[in-house]
Amino acid sequence: QITLKESGPTLVKPTQTLTLTCTFSGFSLSFGVGVGWIRQPPGKALEWLAVIYWDDDKRYSPSLKSRLTITKDTSKNQVVLTMSNMDPVDTGTYYCAHSRYDWNCLDVWGKGTTVTVSS
Amino acid sequence: DIQMTQSPSSLSASVGDRVTITCRASQSISSYLNWYQQKPGKAPNLLIYAASSLQSGVPSRFSGSGSGTDFTLTISSLQPEDFATYYCQQSYSSPRTFGQGTKVEIK
Repeated sequence: QITLKESGPTLVKPTQTLTLTCTFSGFSLSFGVGVGWIRQPPGKALEWLAVIYWDDDKRYSPSLKSRLTITKDTSKNQVVLTMSNMDPVDTGTYYCAHSRYDWNCLDVWGKGTTVTVSS
Repeated sequence: DIQMTQSPSSLSASVGDRVTITCRASQSISSYLNWYQQKPGKAPNLLIYAASSLQSGVPSRFSGSGSGTDFTLTISSLQPEDFATYYCQQSYSSPRTFGQGTKVEIK
């Protein structure tokens, strides 16, 4: 059974860097598999942020690319997303999800973690 | 970036109704189109991938169709547990953009 769980601070100050960790089980980052990050501001739509694949291929949302870094620690079954220069508009729920190797769909999601950006 | 446009943004329907939601891509995405259901306070749940493949465990009243730029999600007979927001997503290229969502409400 595949599970993913997001962890990180619930409150960050403007200009700070957010670090979120996705800890997963039930799969390894093997051929074709990826882990993605998606966020959702309160009451708004889903926004795709980034994905990292088994071979360390990384893709980012162009609008946020300068602020995002995604890395993996295969030995710990973790994927880490950092977002720099946080702003109140970055407030929302952040999800990580397992990306299927064939169609790149997000077939298993974590429950999400809520991040508030406020001074 | 590929833009995904869903219509309608919201709809009201009754239990037992047939419901159709459409999603249009700004360029061809072949069959790399996925549908998700999201209930309030919960993570999204994958319903359909590859435009028409039903994810394991999803009821057969959900179906998807289309290819290229135009896609459809159909719920053949709406059930009480189907009232939720539905999102399409293209996984053809990065960034793997989502539509703006369609909220299905009780009539």
